[in-house]
Amino acid sequence: NAGVTQTPKFQVLKTGQSMTLQCAQDMNHNSMYWYRQDPGMGLRLIYYSASEGTTDKGEVPNGYNVSRLNKREFSLRLESAAPSQTSVYFCASSQGSGANVLTFGAGSRLTVL
Amino acid sequence: KNQVEQSPQSLIILEGKNCTLQCNYTVSPFSNLRWYKQDTGRGPVSLTIMTFSENTKSNGRYTATLDADTKQSSLHITASQLSDSASYICVVTSGPGRAGNMLTFGGGTRLMVKP
Repeated sequence: NAGVTQTPKFQVLKTGQSMTLQCAQDMNHNSMYWYRQDPGMGLRLIYYSASEGTTDKGEVPNGYNVSRLNKREFSLRLESAAPSQTSVYFCASSQGSGANVLTFGAGSRLTVL
Repeated sequence: KNQVEQSPQSLIILEGKNCTLQCNYTVSPFSNLRWYKQDTGRGPVSLTIMTFSENTKSNGRYTATLDADTKQSSLHITASQLSDSASYICVVTSGPGRAGNMLTFGGGTRLMVKP
């Protein structure tokens, strides 16, 4: 049982480049999330998808776009990367609302030069 | 604004010793509080959940407490092991509300257990 799988695990970009972080879950969860984690700060929600076909902004959505491709997959796209987007990104999923336990992926470390 | 503050930021203890991590929150309305363990290079994993009516809950060597009046929670680790070295994150859920916007994360406590 893989749980939540994120790719890539590591990526280095130059300012202005674009990239997509991929996330897939095999637990048949309805809700999926993208968070970023910066040193000394709590995880911050970028975007979430409460169910297939819906997406909503979180706390820090600027500079990002998302796609809920199907129930399993939720991708995060950086159209024009900036150094401020250097962070560790986590995808998570849950069966229902945010009150339910989150299952996290292993994280994707992104460095923007 | 909802906030979750954890202390200490970091902690070093010797193997076999006990420790207590603190979490203070200002989240309203309160739904539940979870403690997560995050190993280096991994995603957080849920340890325990506390609801409004629960004061204490144990999960093996981990015991969480909740004082809803003072809005404080603690995570006590007994007889620490090297594998307890990790970051411990307190997460408070408010609700009801829109899914995904209901969680407030603390900054975590980084615990190192030395032999």
